[in-house]
Amino acid sequence: KNEVEQSPQNLTAQEGEFITINCSYSVGISALHWLQQHPGGGIVSLFMLSSGKKKHGRLIATINIQEKHSSLHITASHPRDSAVYICAVSNTGNQFYFGTGTSLTVIP
Amino acid sequence: GAGVSQSPSNKVTEKGKDVELRCDPISGHTALYWYRQSLGQGLEFLIYFQGNSAPDKSGLPSDRFSAERTGGSVSTLTIQRTQQEDSAVYLCASSLATAWVGSNQPQHFGDGTRLSIL
Repeated sequence: KNEVEQSPQNLTAQEGEFITINCSYSVGISALHWLQQHPGGGIVSLFMLSSGKKKHGRLIATINIQEKHSSLHITASHPRDSAVYICAVSNTGNQFYFGTGTSLTVIP
Repeated sequence: GAGVSQSPSNKVTEKGKDVELRCDPISGHTALYWYRQSLGQGLEFLIYFQGNSAPDKSGLPSDRFSAERTGGSVSTLTIQRTQQEDSAVYLCASSLATAWVGSNQPQHFGDGTRLSIL
């Protein structure tokens, strides 16, 4: 069983749609990370959060510690948002656990 | 052990010195990743290797940072003329193949090197 589960695994959306990617975890954490991996492999850290909600541009990340669940939302999606989105959690011992990623394709 | 091994586990050095961090991946893992986490910051991807080649070096913060991997195994991350903002935990991970892009290859992490620049 994976410590971090993401859904959906693949997602295709029309430009402008509101997108939600979900992440559930089963271990105790100090932080949850959302990462974005573009074709070619470059990885960008989008958010690190341990409670509540964070917003950056059209991206919103929320976390519910009691339910061990996080969501990444993309509003007004655009083809340039097409990438793999990865949820990862870390604990106080700097151990990281990664989800297998959600491959997002936004069609013009 | 059979896990990813990083050395040193802790390094304290003076500003301006060069440091070299080492990562020994799990045997047979072709992909190797370097990350860092600065205090209070998110996980920052630095570079990854597929075999001995690094297709994307754009994550390296400056030209003071370099990384190499020889023999498809051990990798070293070198920071020249260290600055205080380089202080962070540097994490190395390896996987059987490049993770994520449609695959289910998990990354296995080392314990990290805690670097402190005085």
